[in-house]
Amino acid sequence: DAKTTQPPSMDCAEGRAANLPCNHSTISGNEYVYWYRQIHSQGPQYIIHGLKNNETNEMASLIITEDRKSSTLILPHATLRDTAVYYCIVRVHAAGNKLTFGGGTRVLVKP
Amino acid sequence: GAVVSQHPSRVICKSGTSVKIECRSLDFQATTMFWYRQFPKQSLMLMATSNEGSKATYEQGVEKDKFLINHASLTLSTLTVTSAHPEDSSFYICSARDPTRLAIDTQYFGPGTRLTVL
Repeated sequence: DAKTTQPPSMDCAEGRAANLPCNHSTISGNEYVYWYRQIHSQGPQYIIHGLKNNETNEMASLIITEDRKSSTLILPHATLRDTAVYYCIVRVHAAGNKLTFGGGTRVLVKP
Repeated sequence: GAVVSQHPSRVICKSGTSVKIECRSLDFQATTMFWYRQFPKQSLMLMATSNEGSKATYEQGVEKDKFLINHASLTLSTLTVTSAHPEDSSFYICSARDPTRLAIDTQYFGPGTRLTVL
């Protein structure tokens, strides 16, 4: 699976949009971009994933650049409960395929 | 849907004893489950992949005789830490893949088990 690079930490204000960048310059054509988050002392939670097109669900939006070498996760209206470590992972869809977690971005939402 | 539970949520044991952690998929059948370990302020590290009815596949550096994995049914996998030592103290997290949700192909994680070995 391709390696990803994320900033180690970022702060954002409650109620504002949080934009989390991820670089994956070596991504292959069949690799998807997945985002998970882990709230302190809990298991990770799936957020969203995409291949080429931008995606949106009830939790977030995912913007993937045209060359697919980077992406941005957008939390439209951050709340204090969004404070967590956010992981960007690129992987191929395959049965039993592993998830390889990098360092992630520690997001602190401040009131 | 896609709920995964773990039991116990936390356990404290004496050095040299064995500890069993259960991972259950509550509303789906998981042919594949994964076990991770997370030390404080570090990321999750995959320990092993567990397939129902067959032997687990361990990641490099993980002792299979120390971390025994059993996946006897489609909804239950267990991790037994044998002869636990203080350095085994960690946050153990399991995940399960729902084979019916192929469009997402994601893993659903349990809440984790915090093991403290005295």
